[in-house]
Amino acid sequence: DAKTTQPNSMESNEEEPVHLPCNHSTISGTDYIHWYRQLPSQGPEYVIHGLTSNVNNRMASLAIAEDRKSSTLILHRATLRDAAVYYCILMEWGSQGNLIFGKGTKLSVKP
Amino acid sequence: NAGVTQTPKFQVLKTGQSMTLQCAQDMNHEYMSWYRQDPGMGLRLIHYSVGAGITDQGEVPNGYNVSRSTTEDFPLRLLSAAPSHTSVYFCASLSSGGTQYFGPGTRLLVL
Repeated sequence: DAKTTQPNSMESNEEEPVHLPCNHSTISGTDYIHWYRQLPSQGPEYVIHGLTSNVNNRMASLAIAEDRKSSTLILHRATLRDAAVYYCILMEWGSQGNLIFGKGTKLSVKP
Repeated sequence: NAGVTQTPKFQVLKTGQSMTLQCAQDMNHEYMSWYRQDPGMGLRLIHYSVGAGITDQGEVPNGYNVSRSTTEDFPLRLLSAAPSHTSVYFCASLSSGGTQYFGPGTRLLVL
């Protein structure tokens, strides 16, 4: 499975936008880009996923580079509840859903 | 829907004891999986199941058994506890849209 690279940690101020980067230079054509987050003492929760085009949902936006070798998760207005570890994961469609988690990016949000 | 539920929330075992971690989902998902998460690390796949009666090993299966007699339930059995099994265990199920739903986790301490 292709690997992803994320910064270990990032800080943000409350109510400001946050851009969380992810590099995946060895991505294959059938890999979807998934983002999950894990709040303290909870299980991971799905945030968003995409293949080639930018995606928006109620939680976040996903911006995918044209060559698909990188992507950015965008939280439009960070809240204290967004403080979590964010995981960028590649998953081949039909791969039975075996997610390979890295260490993710720990996002801290300051009031 | 209750989603994915796990019991117990917390368990302390002595070395050599066995136990079963329970997992259930009410979303009629075929695919279910078990992960473990050690401090400061991402999740690692233990076992998974693509449907009732079918199970397979993940990245770290040693010392664990699973069974899948129904679509709803996917218990994880720890055969002989060792301190290396101390971890947080998460169960997950996969929707047809490719989203994984995680349970709240079971914290296991082996003395």
